Amino acid sequence: GQSLEQPSEVTAVEGAIVQINCTYQTSGFYGLSWYQQHDGGAPTFLSYNALDGLEETGRFSSFLSRSDSYGYLLLQELQMKDSASYFCAVRRSGGSYIPTFGRGTSLIVHP
Amino acid sequence: DGGITQSPKYLFRKEGQNVTLSCEQNLNHDAMYWYRQDPGQGLRLIYYSQIVNDFQKGDIAEGYSVSREKKESFPLTVTSAQKNPTAFYLCASSIKRGETQYFGPGTRLLVL
Repeated sequence: GQSLEQPSEVTAVEGAIVQINCTYQTSGFYGLSWYQQHDGGAPTFLSYNALDGLEETGRFSSFLSRSDSYGYLLLQELQMKDSASYFCAVRRSGGSYIPTFGRGTSLIVHP
Repeated sequence: DGGITQSPKYLFRKEGQNVTLSCEQNLNHDAMYWYRQDPGQGLRLIYYSQIVNDFQKGDIAEGYSVSREKKESFPLTVTSAQKNPTAFYLCASSIKRGETQYFGPGTRLLVL
């Protein structure tokens, strides 16, 4: 099966940089996805890393190290609107495209 | 505008009652999914369908049923056998071999 570990909560101040970590265990790894979910809302896709390294999309970046079974989401120039839950996800083993999600990290941004 | 719609936004269920949650997408996606989310928890897969007229059980299918008669629609029925139905239900879709899931706005189910 698959398992993903991420911190339950992270706090930071506006304008700061924060890193949300995700470690995973899975047989047959294909890539690591990240989703953002505001309270009461729908998850929205942020990024996908299939190869090692850093992918940058505006203020958000995502990193993957396949040898360490580890990835992180980096949020720069934090804004109050970044307060949300962030989920990492991996594809299930067996070749299906169905994801398994981590339990999510609640990011609280303080003024 | 393409997207996924879910209705209703809030749904109340009486004990012993079956209720159906609607999910419609106009993204022309082959695959559709139902997830359950409890407070402070991740998303747990209930059912999924990768093609019309076919669907598979996910991790927590007991007490739920689905149908996939049309590509655009994937309704979820919460049956009376589901003893703890109070949760936030999310529908999602994706292309058949796609990593990205697109989610609807969700239905919050409450028990009276």
